[in-house]
Amino acid sequence: GIQVEQSPPDLILQEGANSTLRCNFSDSVNNLQWFHQNPWGQLINLFYIPSGTKQNGRLSATTVATERYSLLYISSSQTTDSGVYFCAVGVVQGAQKLVFGQGTRLTINP
Amino acid sequence: NAGVTQTPKFQVLKTGQSMTLQCAQDMNHEYMSWYRQDPGMGLRLIHYSVGAGITDQGEVPNGYNVSRSTTEDFPLRLLSAAPSQTSVYFCASRRDRGNNEQFFGPGTRLTVL
Repeated sequence: GIQVEQSPPDLILQEGANSTLRCNFSDSVNNLQWFHQNPWGQLINLFYIPSGTKQNGRLSATTVATERYSLLYISSSQTTDSGVYFCAVGVVQGAQKLVFGQGTRLTINP
Repeated sequence: NAGVTQTPKFQVLKTGQSMTLQCAQDMNHEYMSWYRQDPGMGLRLIHYSVGAGITDQGEVPNGYNVSRSTTEDFPLRLLSAAPSQTSVYFCASRRDRGNNEQFFGPGTRLTVL
């Protein structure tokens, strides 16, 4: 099956720093989503981004489907950005299924 | 719009007990699914449904049953709980079986002793 790899696995930054999280996938996909799992365990939708670039405040994402990767940018980090960031790709096998990466754990220190 | 709701939030079972995790959505979504999340891992698909009366297996279906009698509800049943089923369970929904955004419920944390 498709492999989804996220890097780095862990990232520790000071408040105010910028970061780039990467998601590589091993096969063609027709969907990609980024999620933030907060310290309370909730999965928050960040971006639905099969291709192209989107921005939402301090966060932006770019997916280059032809090269099989996506990037999530976080600028001017805040402590509330801490948590685990997951990339999930859509694979069509009958119905489309979301396959998750292992996540990047981001810790923002004050 | 409540979105995707799950009950209970927490549950402790003994080995061999059965229980049902409830999931409901009020967005009239056709597609619903169940995932489990184990420590340090991403989410893995257990079962999914593309509409009322239609279910299929995901990546890790063993030990779990599902049914979909209405569009709104998609319960997950553990017939005989095992310690290996200790996990956090997430229900999700999206508009249909095609390419569209998926939304998750708040999760149920299950411990099997």
